[in-house]
Amino acid sequence: DAKTTQPPSMDCAEGRAANLPCNHSTISGNEYVYWYRQIHSQGPQYIIHGLKNNETNEMASLIITEDRKSSTLILPHATLRDTAVYYCIVLNYGGSQGNLIFGKGTKLSVKP
Amino acid sequence: DGGITQSPKYLFRKEGQNVTLSCEQNLNHDAMYWYRQDPGQGLRLIYYSQIVNDFQKGDIAEGYSVSREKKESFPLTVTSAQKNPTAFYLCASSMEAGNSPLHFGNGTRLTVT
Repeated sequence: DAKTTQPPSMDCAEGRAANLPCNHSTISGNEYVYWYRQIHSQGPQYIIHGLKNNETNEMASLIITEDRKSSTLILPHATLRDTAVYYCIVLNYGGSQGNLIFGKGTKLSVKP
Repeated sequence: DGGITQSPKYLFRKEGQNVTLSCEQNLNHDAMYWYRQDPGQGLRLIYYSQIVNDFQKGDIAEGYSVSREKKESFPLTVTSAQKNPTAFYLCASSMEAGNSPLHFGNGTRLTVT
């Protein structure tokens, strides 16, 4: 499975958009990009996923580059409760999530 | 509400003792997973199960065992053979073992002294 690269930490002002980048340069054609986040001492929470097209839901937007080698998770109006570690993961469609690899993620700190 | 329940939230054991962590889900999901998380680290896969009575080893299965006798339950036993058992353990499930999001429990923090 492809691996991902994320910055270890980022800061964002409350109310501003948080843009979290992820590089997945070895992603293959049938691999999806997933984003999860983990608030301290809790289980990770699913945010969004996509294959080629940009996706949006009530939590966030996912922008995937045309070559699919990188993506950006956008939290449009960050709040203090969005402070968490954000994980970007790639996953084979139809493959077992037993191959899911969670790296160290990006620690997002939203500041007042 | 549907979800995944892990119990207990905190668990303390003496070295040399086996301990079993509970994971129950009422989401009717086929697939279930166990991950381990150490301080400042990402998640590492211990075991996963795609269907009842079947399970596979993940990246760090040594010193652990699981069973999947019921769809709803996937208990993890940390045996005395596990060299560094103190960690945060996370259980997850998904609708199927393919392209569907994972739903996580809130974890069990195991401390072995």
